[in-house]
Amino acid sequence: DTGVSQDPRHKITKRGQNVTFRCDPISEHNRLYWYRQTLGQGPEFLTYFQNEAQLEKSRLLSDRFSAERPKGSFSTLEIQRTEQGDSAMYLCASNWRTEAFFGQGTRLTVV
Amino acid sequence: QKEVEQNSGPLSVPEGAIASLNCTYSDRGSQSFFWYRQYSGKSPELIMFIYSNGDKEDGRFTAQLNKASQYVSLLIRDSQPSDSATYLCAVNAYSSASKIIFGSGTRLSIRP
Repeated sequence: DTGVSQDPRHKITKRGQNVTFRCDPISEHNRLYWYRQTLGQGPEFLTYFQNEAQLEKSRLLSDRFSAERPKGSFSTLEIQRTEQGDSAMYLCASNWRTEAFFGQGTRLTVV
Repeated sequence: QKEVEQNSGPLSVPEGAIASLNCTYSDRGSQSFFWYRQYSGKSPELIMFIYSNGDKEDGRFTAQLNKASQYVSLLIRDSQPSDSATYLCAVNAYSSASKIIFGSGTRLSIRP
């Protein structure tokens, strides 16, 4: 596997449920980023990790969102008590130095 | 002021012409600049990156950077219908611990 992998590709959930997404970065990449993208907008920064350390979390992110990268490899993004406004594409990207490469994304629909 | 600004378009260019996409950024500490292409329903794909002032060419694509003006652009020569997509400008600000910030994208349409 030579690319960033995200799972699942699509998720439909009922409002109020919790969801968790997984991202497997390119193996030698030490930085991992999560973004959220809605229609007609660019990717909005959520958080990022260098190895297992979470370096920054967007101030726009509510306490319902949490991300982990326990061993500096894969990462998970959890959204608790989902709301309809959480419906979006959740993108993961990774890099070693500068250029970041994206996974295919997880499309979340909250009904 | 947004950290990375782009004209949302749509920008319509005839096939075979040069498409010019522009981006400005606010953080003077920005070190690295990227252009991504995103087709509808797909994830962004890196097409160019530039670190130094001046021009960088790769095939039909040329990235231009002017740090004094905080301006970066992308030229696409001999535009093809397959170039129709949204082009995202992204900036890696050293002062923000290497966080990568994206603009809202410019939608480009190449008309036959």
